[in-house]
Formats: sequence, structure tokens, C-alpha cells
Amino acid sequence: AQSVTQPDIHITVSEGASLELRCNYSYGATPYLFWYVQSPGQGLQLLLKYFSGDTLVQGIKGFEAEFKRSQSSFNLRKPSVHWSDAAEYFCAADTGGFKTIFGAGTRLFVKA
Amino acid sequence: DVKVTQSSRYLVKRTGEKVFLECVQDMDHENMFWYRQDPGLGLRLIYFSYDVKMKEKGDIPEGYSVSREKKERFSLILESASTNQTSMYLCASRSLAGGTDTQYFGPGTRLTVL
Repeated sequence: AQSVTQPDIHITVSEGASLELRCNYSYGATPYLFWYVQSPGQGLQLLLKYFSGDTLVQGIKGFEAEFKRSQSSFNLRKPSVHWSDAAEYFCAADTGGFKTIFGAGTRLFVKA
Repeated sequence: DVKVTQSSRYLVKRTGEKVFLECVQDMDHENMFWYRQDPGLGLRLIYFSYDVKMKEKGDIPEGYSVSREKKERFSLILESASTNQTSMYLCASRSLAGGTDTQYFGPGTRLTVL
């Protein structure tokens, strides 16, 4: 069955530290891959997406993600976290149909 | 700026009530979606619509119905609300059928059924 797994339910990092959020997918073929962020009380906002080509994708707010086919992973990174990055992050995959499969989410806490 | 709006941010209803959640998008998108968001489960698709008056079941349609009479508006209906439908409901729209196009989300409606 198709699935998206985010192994970490929550992560705490210090402000200014680097961040990596993990995402693994299970699909028959490489899907389109997305990262969304949800701030408290808000809907989801797209951070970045991968379709093909360069495996390192740049997004908004200083985020980037790297697609690794051999590991079926699409991890999100940021070199220096700001307090305003505290939110829930969702990895998602889509094969071009109507259905997008979302991971369970990783909640990021940022400590001063 | 693109926008998806939902009629209520918070809603409290009683068991057995009929509940309407409304979603409006201003991007002229063909495709609209209703998701349910629960802790630890991510987003699960309830229903989607790819055109006016057209609808398809998602992964968890039981207990829900939808209506799309106009392109910009997609309504989710709980015919007889139950406590297990207490959740956050998110509406989304996108232009293309899927794949490369971005989904735009509304702010969500947090529904509590007592």
C-alpha cells in the first residue's frame, strides 16, 4: 500500500541550531513529493515540492529538502532555526491522481 | 493573493444535528477537497470534487456527504453528527487534477460534537 511515514512525532531544537525532519515514502514509482507547514490555528502552507530533476529542492522560509531515491526519503532541512519555525510539518506524496497521501506530521518545538 | 476560506473557525454541535461546513475559493480551481485532520493520523481525504456537481469518495466518506453547486464553493455535510466526528476539517483546492500543482488550504474548522 502507498504510504508516507514521518518517524518523529515531535522534535525539539534550540534556536539557531540546524534542523532535519525525516520523511520516507512507499510507492510503486517515485511520486511527487511535498512538504507543508501548519502554524497553530492555520491551514497548511506549501514549503517546497519535488517533481524531477535536481534532487535538492529549495523552498520558502529558508527550507530545503533532498530527495534520495535509494532511501525512498525526502528529508526537510534548515541550517538555522528561528523561533517562528515552531509549527507542525507534513510530508506528502502524490502520483498525479486526485489523492495526496500525507504523513502523520512532526511537531517542531524551538527552545530559546 | 490566493484564498480559500471556510465558514467557521470553531463550531460546537450536539449529537444528531445536521452540520454544514462551507468552503469558498477565489482561484477558479476545478478541484476541491475536504480533509479531516486528527493527531497522529495526518490528513485523511473525505471527499473531493473535480467539477461542479461532480464528487468522488475519498478514504473516509462514511457519515459525510458533499455538495458542489458552484465552482467556487464546496460544502461538507454531516447528516447526523456523532462524537467521533469531532475533529479539524480542512478544505483545499488545486487547479490541475493532481501531481505537480499546489494545493491551497483554508484555515480549518475545528468541530466539536457533544
